[in-house]
Amino acid sequence: NAGVTQTPKFQVLKTGQSMTLQCAQDMNHNSMYWYRQDPGMGLRLIYYSASEGTTDKGEVPNGYNVSRLNKREFSLRLESAAPSQTSVYFCASSEIGGSSSYNEQFFGPGTRLTVL
Amino acid sequence: AQSVTQLDSHVSVSEGTPVLLRCNYSSSYSPSLFWYVQHPNKGLQLLLKYTSAATLVKGINGFEAEFKKSETSFHLTKPSAHMSDAAEYFCVVSEADSNYQLIWGAGTKLIIKP
Repeated sequence: NAGVTQTPKFQVLKTGQSMTLQCAQDMNHNSMYWYRQDPGMGLRLIYYSASEGTTDKGEVPNGYNVSRLNKREFSLRLESAAPSQTSVYFCASSEIGGSSSYNEQFFGPGTRLTVL
Repeated sequence: AQSVTQLDSHVSVSEGTPVLLRCNYSSSYSPSLFWYVQHPNKGLQLLLKYTSAATLVKGINGFEAEFKKSETSFHLTKPSAHMSDAAEYFCVVSEADSNYQLIWGAGTKLIIKP
């Protein structure tokens, strides 16, 4: 089991460029998440998908879009990158409901994005 | 509304001495609480979780945490620090009322002195 995988690991963009961050999980989890991590701050939720076919905004959704392509894959798109989006991006997945009454999330290795 | 406060941004201890990382939370309902660890330039790994069973929770690598409802605290401890414990530690709260979303503390960087 690879767990949660993310591509790419590193990316440098110029202001105004677009890109898509890819995330996949092989744990058959229903829920998937995108976070950003900035120095001196905890993780902040950008978007999440509670189940296949649904997506919802998190704490900091502006400037981002997401697609839950299928149960395994959840992508994050920056349509017009800005320097304020320089950050480390983490994807996570979890199983909520059924036998699980709490939200233990499993994380990918992260994507370090720099916007110049 | 939920919130998490990690009381120290940095903690420095000598190798072999005890570790205490402090976390206070605010939650309207019965929360689930987690500690995650992040080693330099690495992803996040779950250390331990509290989910309304035993109030003293044991995790990986000799860490443990005690849920104290009266003090709204969930401090992380380890009896004897090892150099490999140097990392950033995040306290996290989640509750059913907010659709189980995780609310993250700002993190505590643990520094181990030889």
